[in-house]
Amino acid sequence: GIQVEQSPPDLILQEGANSTLRCNFSDSVNNLQWFHQNPWGQLINLFYIPSGTKQNGRLSATTVATERYSLLYISSSQTTDSGVYFCAGRGRSGGSYIPTFGRGTSLIVHP
Amino acid sequence: NAGVTQTPKFQVLKTGQSMTLQCAQDMNHNSMYWYRQDPGMGLRLIYYSASEGTTDKGEVPNGYNVSRLNKREFSLRLESAAPSQTSVYFCASSEQGSTEAFFGQGTRLTVV
Repeated sequence: GIQVEQSPPDLILQEGANSTLRCNFSDSVNNLQWFHQNPWGQLINLFYIPSGTKQNGRLSATTVATERYSLLYISSSQTTDSGVYFCAGRGRSGGSYIPTFGRGTSLIVHP
Repeated sequence: NAGVTQTPKFQVLKTGQSMTLQCAQDMNHNSMYWYRQDPGMGLRLIYYSASEGTTDKGEVPNGYNVSRLNKREFSLRLESAAPSQTSVYFCASSEQGSTEAFFGQGTRLTVV
């Protein structure tokens, strides 16, 4: 079946620290996305990363599709990075590809 | 660009009442989705529409119906609301196939 697993489930950091979030996915999943859900509940697209590495400021992501995992790196964390980080992959259902989510990593960054 | 727009943003219903959540996208996407988000559960798919004129059940369809009104609009209806349907509902859209999905701002629904 379609499986997307995230770790760790919870993470607490001091401002300025670095962190790595992991997403493992089953072999029926492809085309990874990373989202940040801010404290107001908005889902913000961070990366669309089927494979390879992308960087956007202090954030970067790497997907190794052949080994079925993706990593999100947050460097020099800030309090505004707090929230929940989701990865989602496309799993095949019938004739369609459906975005399937992990349960998220809840991040709290203390000043 | 508005992207994906959901209405309403907040709603309180009494048990047994009905309502429709509206979703519209202006990106000319073929596929649209409805998810619900509950604490600790991530986002779970309720229904999706791979293209105009088609709809299919997702992981948690019971108690819901959907209508793909046209290419832009995809509505979610609760015929007889139950407290278990208290949740945050998200609509999303994407091109058909394996491409990036975009989400609306969510609807926070409370059923009392």
